Amino acid sequence: QQQVKQSPQSLIVQKGGISIINCAYENTAFDYFPWYQQFPGKGPALLIAIRPDVSEKKEGRFTISFNKSAKQFSLHIMDSQPGDSATYFCAASMSSWGGSEKLVFGKGTKLTVNP
Amino acid sequence: DAGVTQSPTHLIKTRGQQVTLRCSPKSGHDTVSWYQQALGQGPQFIFQYYEEEERQRGNFPDRFSGHQFPNYSSELNVNALLLGDSALYLCASSLNLVGGYTFGSGTRLTVV
Repeated sequence: QQQVKQSPQSLIVQKGGISIINCAYENTAFDYFPWYQQFPGKGPALLIAIRPDVSEKKEGRFTISFNKSAKQFSLHIMDSQPGDSATYFCAASMSSWGGSEKLVFGKGTKLTVNP
Repeated sequence: DAGVTQSPTHLIKTRGQQVTLRCSPKSGHDTVSWYQQALGQGPQFIFQYYEEEERQRGNFPDRFSGHQFPNYSSELNVNALLLGDSALYLCASSLNLVGGYTFGSGTRLTVV
């Protein structure tokens, strides 16, 4: 019940295309869903996050879509650029303590954007 | 404004040895969490420190222990190293009750 399942494992997109990465969770107590971007040799960096009270959140070219009933959420990268080539992780957390909760990560998606 | 600083960046140890990894949190942050990231996998939560106490712990054996100092910096200790402990160890800092982690670049530990 603590798992977050992420797909696909790898994704190749042409420059200017749309990249879509999907995640599913089981634990309905999760109430915070961030996406992280990780470049080789670096730690993950927070990209965008959403809470279950909204169905969509957009920041620039990045959009999270959230489906509470299906327990799924996805990341859409519009107008994908070669600089977006990285590994993307979805994660989930629960605010049972009201503080900085532990994150449960998906296994990651390696995105390659061809020029 | 320095982010999260981890040292060393790379480390090679022999099975059975002990290792200490260090983390300095981002300025203004008071909570430190440690994650283990095996090759090709997502990070896994080890434990979190706040006010020099272990506040949360993931599913890791007692060989993994930690400490937080009054200046909020932290150490991760791993005893009796196994080959399976080879991984990237990430430190993440945050401000309690605000959330939002900042990750360091990690320490790459190789156990031979």
